[in-house]
Amino acid sequence: DVVLTQTPSILSATIGQSVSISCRSSQSLLDSDGNTYLYWFLQRPGQSPQRLIYLVSNLGSGVPNRFSGSGSGTDFTLKISGVEAEDLGVYYCMQATHAPWTFGGGTKLELK
Amino acid sequence: EVKLQQSGDELVRPGASVKMSCKASGYTFTDYAMHWVKQSPGQGLEWIGTIIPLIDTTSYNQKFKGKATLTADKSSNTAYMELSRLTSEDSAVYYCARAPYSADYFDYWGQGVMVTVSS
Repeated sequence: DVVLTQTPSILSATIGQSVSISCRSSQSLLDSDGNTYLYWFLQRPGQSPQRLIYLVSNLGSGVPNRFSGSGSGTDFTLKISGVEAEDLGVYYCMQATHAPWTFGGGTKLELK
Repeated sequence: EVKLQQSGDELVRPGASVKMSCKASGYTFTDYAMHWVKQSPGQGLEWIGTIIPLIDTTSYNQKFKGKATLTADKSSNTAYMELSRLTSEDSAVYYCARAPYSADYFDYWGQGVMVTVSS
């Protein structure tokens, strides 16, 4: 199975600070169809995961544009440009290029 | 409004089975696959498998073959997951999430079903 390694595991930030989360894959996530099936989710406490980004860099509907995704191959990054209180929770990356689909271990974003 | 309404939390005995539901509304049920994801207490997320209701085709994570069975009822726009021979390792929250046949996966999730396996 593809292993996704997220760093850091805990991220402390102040409101307004810009932060980045890394997701590294044990295999390239570039599919033979030309797509890279890498996704980002936020799970707020007590809630279901919410999708933020699909196909590496596409912003989901209704997701604030302070979120952005980048990367290729095996290295991916989620950036939050100006953390807001509602952004606190656990962030997960997920790959859907290789079966079985797998998730990263999560990055908890907390207030400093 | 798109909604995935999952059934209620379950307390089940070891060795028993449990069947949970995920009722879809606000979109055409057969235009999307339905996936299931496990979240163990305090842990991350695991993909269990998927069903394509249009053609009743399933695909499973090898880890969950023999444990999970996915079905769908097109007449009621409902997806189901049955978990068999339950052990304490199956105590978790289980989510359904839809995925279109394009790459815009997991845009909507259910609220989750907490399954507790205990005697």
